[in-house]
Amino acid sequence: DQQVKQNSPSLSVQEGRISILNCDYTNSMFDYFLWYKKYPAEGPTFLISISSIKDKNEDGRFTVFLNKSAKHLSLHIVPSQPGDSAVYFCAAKRLNAGNNRKLIWGLGTSLAVNP
Amino acid sequence: DVKVTQSSRYLVKRTGEKVFLECVQDMDHENMFWYRQDPGLGLRLIYFSYDVKMKEKGDIPEGYSVSREKKERFSLILESASTNQTSMYLCASSQTVNSPLHFGNGTRLTVT
Repeated sequence: DQQVKQNSPSLSVQEGRISILNCDYTNSMFDYFLWYKKYPAEGPTFLISISSIKDKNEDGRFTVFLNKSAKHLSLHIVPSQPGDSAVYFCAAKRLNAGNNRKLIWGLGTSLAVNP
Repeated sequence: DVKVTQSSRYLVKRTGEKVFLECVQDMDHENMFWYRQDPGLGLRLIYFSYDVKMKEKGDIPEGYSVSREKKERFSLILESASTNQTSMYLCASSQTVNSPLHFGNGTRLTVT
C-alpha cells in the first residue's frame, strides 16, 4: 500500500513556465516532507523540505505547499529551466518516530522542461 | 559538500556469487543507508546503520547483509547473488537522524 503517491509519472512543460509536481499521502501522522531531485546516472539530491507546522516553504525558484487537510503537497518551480529536467521524488516521515529509517518515498515524477 | 562514493558504477555478476558493494562518506556522518531502486517500486530501504558496528534491517533485508567496521564505510553484501537482485543500489548518509540524506551515484548491478 503506497503511503506516498505521485500520481503523475511524467510531466512536460515549456521553459519559463511553471512546473507543478504533486504528491498525496495517506498517513495523517506524517509531519515532515521532503523533495529530492534525481538526474540520470546520479543519486537523488535533497531539494527542499517542509514541516507540518507550515503551509509553505520557499527556496529561490522552488516552493513547496502543504495542505494538511487534503493530505497533499506540491512543488512549484518558477520559472522552469531545461536544467530542471529530472525525476522528482516526494518523501514523508514522522519526525518523532526516530530516524530516517521511517522515510517513505513516492515513485517519482519525471519532469521534462522543453526549450 | 558531503561526498558519498560508491566504489563501482556498474557490476555484472553471476548467480550464486558473493557480491560486495562498498560505500564511503567523507563527512563523519553517523547514519548510513542502503537502498535499491527498481522501476515501479521506487526506493526501498535494505539496511541502515546508526553507528559503527550497529545495523538495523530495513524493509527488504532478505538476501542481504551489511558491515560497518569504520564510521565512514558501509558495505552491502549479497551472500549468494540471484537474478532478482539485479537493480540500482544507492548508498546514503545523514548527519543526524532527521537531516536530509546525501546519496552516492549508485551502482547498477546485473546478476546473470
